[in-house]
Amino acid sequence: GAVVSQHPSWVICKSGTSVKIECRSLDFQATTMFWYRQFPKQSLMLMATSNEGSKATYEQGVEKDKFLINHASLTLSTLTVTSAHPEDSSFYICSALAGTYNEQFFGPGTRLTVL
Amino acid sequence: QKEVEQDPGPLSVPEGAIVSLNCTYSNSAFQYFMWYRQYSRKGPELLMYTYSSGNKEDGRFTAQVDKSSKYISLFIRDSQPSDSATYLCAGTGGFKTIFGAGTRLFVKA
Repeated sequence: GAVVSQHPSWVICKSGTSVKIECRSLDFQATTMFWYRQFPKQSLMLMATSNEGSKATYEQGVEKDKFLINHASLTLSTLTVTSAHPEDSSFYICSALAGTYNEQFFGPGTRLTVL
Repeated sequence: QKEVEQDPGPLSVPEGAIVSLNCTYSNSAFQYFMWYRQYSRKGPELLMYTYSSGNKEDGRFTAQVDKSSKYISLFIRDSQPSDSATYLCAGTGGFKTIFGAGTRLFVKA
């Protein structure tokens, strides 16, 4: 299957700082990537769809100025959490479309803790 | 009504049991269906995907789709403690994939 990596795997930051999370497709090109967040024991919540070379499409209720998404190449999408607050602490997971049926392949996730 | 409904469990079974995980969906536009396995603090891993109604088998796993009743299932034979995880079903009608809430499975040794 297609491999997606994320970096960092976990990060702790102070309130008010910004954090950048990278999502890379390692063995394929991904024109479309997705960003999710997941709270403990809850399902995936789609935040935005990232398209290479164009603006991301955000889901209702997701602040685009707070969660900046950049998809500058076919193998890299980044999510920047700006002015992070404790309520932004969560598990952030990216995925990319690949395969015969455009299945989503997920990265390993990034655990963000904002103090 | 959620587009994909899934019982969150938890479901606890003894090792060696046959596990049945189920989802229902409401969107008739869904064409493909997937099952993902997610271990704690890890990203979901694609287990199986299916297109048409019927069964698809891969080792100990069998995915079943019944489009007439909008019902999808995942069966795990000879379950192992290493199968303990959260299983998410998903349906897609093209671009957007809708995930179920996930069922937490515990296989006891």
